Amino acid sequence: EAGVAQSPRYKIIEKRQSVAFWCNPISGHATLYWYQQILGQGPKLLIQFQNNGVVDDSQLPKDRFSAERLKGVDSTLKIQPAKLEDSAVYLCASNLGDGTAGGYTFGSGTRLTVV
Amino acid sequence: AQKITQTQPGMFVQEKEAVTLDCTYDTSDQSYGLFWYKQPSSGEMIFLIYQGSYDEQNATEGRYSLNFQKARKSANLVISASQLGDSAMYFCAIRGSQGNLIFGKGTKLSVKP
Repeated sequence: EAGVAQSPRYKIIEKRQSVAFWCNPISGHATLYWYQQILGQGPKLLIQFQNNGVVDDSQLPKDRFSAERLKGVDSTLKIQPAKLEDSAVYLCASNLGDGTAGGYTFGSGTRLTVV
Repeated sequence: AQKITQTQPGMFVQEKEAVTLDCTYDTSDQSYGLFWYKQPSSGEMIFLIYQGSYDEQNATEGRYSLNFQKARKSANLVISASQLGDSAMYFCAIRGSQGNLIFGKGTKLSVKP
């Protein structure tokens, strides 16, 4: 089966610019996650979707970050305006969302550099 | 709230030897799941092994095994017969109450030839 697709792979922008990332999860996976991984740290959850509804966005900086998952399939994460501290890898993951043990699949991530 | 602690920022191991990466966790849930992921320099997160809190036996997957000590709240990863390709970041994670994964800070493993 195809994996979790993310684009772009790399992005360099200037501070105060906007940027958007795209994620297409594994077909049939109800739950989609966006993680932020700052260099040298573990991934931190930004937002979790179940189908097209938000389950948890408590750690999403809502003044600048937004995310949507229209039709419960692919998702976009947007940053506007970007700050230097937003430089990180943004990982998308998905799973069936049925409470089973495994099945978390990660995409290759988007490496964002804000200059 | 759940929490993962990985106290080893970096580890070195000689090729073909075994290595143990430490992980302790904190949770008030009776039912939980623990995961280990490998992240090479290319950035993808590769699932290695899973241990459920009610599993009576330690999980094993090929050269990977999980030393699960429930009373001590530890879930250490053991890699046997290390290979050069094992050099990577390793993350321990626990499944949160909403089903998301909560990660530790990771351990960088370097395998020496």
